[in-house]
Amino acid sequence: NAGVTQTPKFQVLKTGQSMTLQCAQDMNHEYMSWYRQDPGMGLRLIHYSVGAGITDQGEVPNGYNVSRSTTEDFPLRLLSAAPSQTSVYFCASSSGGPKGTQYFGPGTRLLVL
Amino acid sequence: ILNVEQSPQSLHVQEGDSTNFTCSFPSSNFYALHWYRWETAKSPEALFVMTLNGDEKKKGRISATLNTKEGYSYLYIKGSQPEDSATYLCAFPGYSTLTFGKGTMLLVSP
Repeated sequence: NAGVTQTPKFQVLKTGQSMTLQCAQDMNHEYMSWYRQDPGMGLRLIHYSVGAGITDQGEVPNGYNVSRSTTEDFPLRLLSAAPSQTSVYFCASSSGGPKGTQYFGPGTRLLVL
Repeated sequence: ILNVEQSPQSLHVQEGDSTNFTCSFPSSNFYALHWYRWETAKSPEALFVMTLNGDEKKKGRISATLNTKEGYSYLYIKGSQPEDSATYLCAFPGYSTLTFGKGTMLLVSP
């Protein structure tokens, strides 16, 4: 039981490049979410999903895209990277929606030059 | 966007000191209140999920109380140890999203 996994651990991009951050969980959780962590800002919700085929925007969705084709996977796509997207990204999953305990992945550190 | 406030922003105590932090949240439409512990270079880990007014939860030297009517929760650490050094986050769920406070960063010196 690996819990929540994220790849890559670290990535450097040039402005304008696109990439996908991968997130997978093996706990059969319906609820998954993506957060970004910036100094002084705490964790801010980017997108979330309440089940396969259902996604919605969080607090800071601009510049990001998500899809949820399976229960296990919830990739986050950066369409055209900008320096403002330099951050640490965490994926989380829960069996109880936002009210349930969130299980976090190890994070992806992204640097956009 | 829900308003979840934590205080203080940071705290530096000596080993053996007891300490406490505050989380304030909207008192209407209460579902639950979460506390997470976040060590540097790791990911947040759940401490407590609190659901009932007057709830008190305990895990070792760490405990938390909840007042849903006035919209606050306290986290207490008794006899702080250097390994307690971390950022402590509270989070308030809405209908479909979870809003985190900015956290209290605790440093415990030996």
